[in-house]
Amino acid sequence: DAGVTQSPTHLIKTRGQHVTLRCSPISGHKSVSWYQQVLGQGPQFIFQYYEKEERGRGNFPDRFSARQFPNYSSELNVNALLLGDSALYLCASSLAQGARYEQYFGPGTRLTVT
Amino acid sequence: EDQVTQSPEALRLQEGESSSLNCSYTVSGLRGLFWYRQDPGKGPEFLFTLYSAGEEKEKERLKATLTKKESFLHITAPKPEDSATYLCAVHSPYKYIFGTGTRLKVLA
Repeated sequence: DAGVTQSPTHLIKTRGQHVTLRCSPISGHKSVSWYQQVLGQGPQFIFQYYEKEERGRGNFPDRFSARQFPNYSSELNVNALLLGDSALYLCASSLAQGARYEQYFGPGTRLTVT
Repeated sequence: EDQVTQSPEALRLQEGESSSLNCSYTVSGLRGLFWYRQDPGKGPEFLFTLYSAGEEKEKERLKATLTKKESFLHITAPKPEDSATYLCAVHSPYKYIFGTGTRLKVLA
């Protein structure tokens, strides 16, 4: 079975631009979470979606938004990009929401803002 | 404030030299504690979930334990292929909090 897939793999954007990152969960998984990982740090939680509704949000500005589609895939949108948004963006999927459901991570999208 | 602290930041071991990684946490309403392994340029790989103090889980050369304030990841007789960054995370209501990880290098 395919694992979590993310696209694109790499992306270079300019300050002030907008970016959309995409994630397809493992088949049968209904929850998707997004994380930002800066080099040398642990992943920082951005959002969790379950059944197309936002179920958790980390300490990120309103420039960050996300949505989940009926097929459970998800998009992460970032507006007005800053240099500090350069990071590895990780998507994780799980069967459902909650600690009893293991999260499986995708390979990430490497975003560079210049 | 909820937080997760991992130590040491980096660890070098000789092949076969057992050791432990520490994850201490302060969180309101702990729902679960997770251990992940992350190789360079890849997403984290799930290892264990622990739910309550006293719980232990094992997988090959790895054993995870949990107390009310911390968790340990014990590595027995490590091999070079165990070299990676090991991440600890906690789940509290509506959010996940990760530590900064321990970079493990096992020398042949």
